[in-house]
Amino acid sequence: QSVLTQPPSVSAAPGQKVTISCSGSASNIAKNYVSWYQQLPKTAPKLLISDNDVRPSGIPDRFSGSKSGTSATLGITGLQAGDEADYYCGTWDSSLSAVVFGGGTKLTVL
Amino acid sequence: QVTLKESGPARVKPTQTLTLTCSLSGFSIGTTGMRVSWIRQPPGKALEWLARIDWDDDKFYSASLRTRLTISKDTSKNQVVLKMTNMDPVDTATYFCARESTGRSSLDSWGRGTLVTVSS
Repeated sequence: QSVLTQPPSVSAAPGQKVTISCSGSASNIAKNYVSWYQQLPKTAPKLLISDNDVRPSGIPDRFSGSKSGTSATLGITGLQAGDEADYYCGTWDSSLSAVVFGGGTKLTVL
Repeated sequence: QVTLKESGPARVKPTQTLTLTCSLSGFSIGTTGMRVSWIRQPPGKALEWLARIDWDDDKFYSASLRTRLTISKDTSKNQVVLKMTNMDPVDTATYFCARESTGRSSLDSWGRGTLVTVSS
């Protein structure tokens, strides 16, 4: 059971937009920065969004992040086949003094 | 160029202790603000954070695995080592090390991971 809650799967057609939610609590998302990671099949995770809404160098602006209260959202526009991957949210939990992740969301591009 | 590389045994027997090494290049674990975490992922399952060590030797552990984990660093070799005692088949997973450089819990560089199988 993950500390952060994500939907197990989302899907959309190429060119469409999709959002992935990440729900937490007062001790994690509400008071700390949220990151998002993309894990393509059989590869290591890659940082997609840091500090709630900051894209590292090289990440296309099709990817966006936002945070409100105890929840965060990853948005992906202009879906491409290459976006098929597992997506994880993560943050620091101040009560646990630990990094916590969501259970991951599998994105399928129909 | 920042790189992290995990190394260790591919297979351990139940009850044995696992020792994994994360070799760092392109940055020093001794530099102010640098942190290295270990994360694992059982086959087909989600990421699970295990432990973190900071440049100033602060250490943090997963509450559920705290009694089995020890994280340490060798600044002269620029390596971070994770030890996990009393290994069990449920610990079979790919183990990753990752860097955090901003102090805001974003893991900005990851190693490729090493698969550890626990089997007799």
